[in-house]
Amino acid sequence: DAKTTQPTSMDCAEGRAANLPCNHSTISGNEYVYWYRQIHSQGPQYIIHGLKNNETNEMASLIITEDRKSSTLILPHATLRDTAVYYCIVRVGSSGSARQLTFGSGTQLTVLP
Amino acid sequence: DADVTQTPRNRITKTGKRIMLECSQTKGHDRMYWYRQDPGLGLRLIYYSFDVKDINKGEISDGYSVSRQAQAKFSLSLESAIPNQTALYFCATSDRHNNEQFFGPGTRLTVL
Repeated sequence: DAKTTQPTSMDCAEGRAANLPCNHSTISGNEYVYWYRQIHSQGPQYIIHGLKNNETNEMASLIITEDRKSSTLILPHATLRDTAVYYCIVRVGSSGSARQLTFGSGTQLTVLP
Repeated sequence: DADVTQTPRNRITKTGKRIMLECSQTKGHDRMYWYRQDPGLGLRLIYYSFDVKDINKGEISDGYSVSRQAQAKFSLSLESAIPNQTALYFCATSDRHNNEQFFGPGTRLTVL
């Protein structure tokens, strides 16, 4: 799986958009970008994933650059409950794939009141 | 009720003791996983199972063993616990498409 690089920490004001970057310059053509988050000591929670097109769901948007070497997770209106560690993970994700998630250190997002 | 449950939630034990952590799921998923997390670090995979007859070692399997008793149950054992196995342990499940893993609430294990 391709390695990812994320900032160690970020702050965001409550109500503003939180933009979390991730670099994955060695990503392969069949690797997806996944985002999970972990609120303090709880089990990680899936947020979103994508291959090359931008994706949006009820939680967030995922913007992947055209060359797929980086991506940005966007929380459009951050709340205090979004304070968590956010993990960007790159892996093969097709049906029947036998690959597991590899978690790095992630980005600690702190939403400030 | 939670889809993925882990028991116990907290456990303190002594060096050399045998410990079993249990995981149950009601999601009907074939695939189950055990991870550990150390303070300030991400999760590391210990073992994973793609069905009842399939068990695979992960990144850090030494000192651990697992048993997949049924589709819904996957247990992790420490045959002889040591202090550096003190960590937060998570169980997770996924379906065959493997796009999303669902995690349990975690078991905090302390080995004295």
